[in-house]
Amino acid sequence: RKEVEQDPGPFNVPEGATVAFNCTYSNSASQSFFWYRQDCRKEPKLLMSVYSSGNEDGRFTAQLNRASQYISLLIRDSKLSDSATYLCVVNLAGGSYIPTFGRGTSLIVHP
Amino acid sequence: GAGVSQSPRYKVTKRGQDVALRCDPISGHVSLYWYRQALGQGPEFLTYFNYEAQQDKSGLPNDRFSAERPEGSISTLTIQRTEQRDSAMYRCASSLDGPPDTGELFFGEGSRLTVL
Repeated sequence: RKEVEQDPGPFNVPEGATVAFNCTYSNSASQSFFWYRQDCRKEPKLLMSVYSSGNEDGRFTAQLNRASQYISLLIRDSKLSDSATYLCVVNLAGGSYIPTFGRGTSLIVHP
Repeated sequence: GAGVSQSPRYKVTKRGQDVALRCDPISGHVSLYWYRQALGQGPEFLTYFNYEAQQDKSGLPNDRFSAERPEGSISTLTIQRTEQRDSAMYRCASSLDGPPDTGELFFGEGSRLTVL
């Protein structure tokens, strides 16, 4: 079992749609959770950190569920420019808290 | 620039040759990470340094891979006797703090290695 798991998609949605991604992780003692965005042929860049109480940044909402060991990312009112791969990152306990990436979820927003 | 710089951006080599990939992190960043990314996958951890000390090399695939960061700044990832399966994008990232408090990772543009 991979330590950080994501559905690779692709998620194909129309502009204006709401879309949600989940990511599960293997060690309940893990600390620090993040969502990164990676555009085609580019390096990953931080989208947002995920806090225990949940947090929002504009159209993006991130949540953490420690009991079920997953984090989620919700994108409202999708834009064409949101098309990218979204990578879940967990500072995994049991792995020296090294930032560990999921395989990414591909989002395609179409007109 | 103030970002993470990697070189070469592209490297094509023949099987059996040695390659060295360089990473110049953001000034003042304590931690430096090396990842490898295959197409359609997320970055896979290789090794990391706090200052000049290699703290974890558990992700290095075998003993043909090594890394150093002798002065706590620039790092080199060396692959000896390259094989075709080594072909991938090699990514370097730096962060202000290391585990367990690693925050944002800042990535370079990567070095794409192709082994013929």
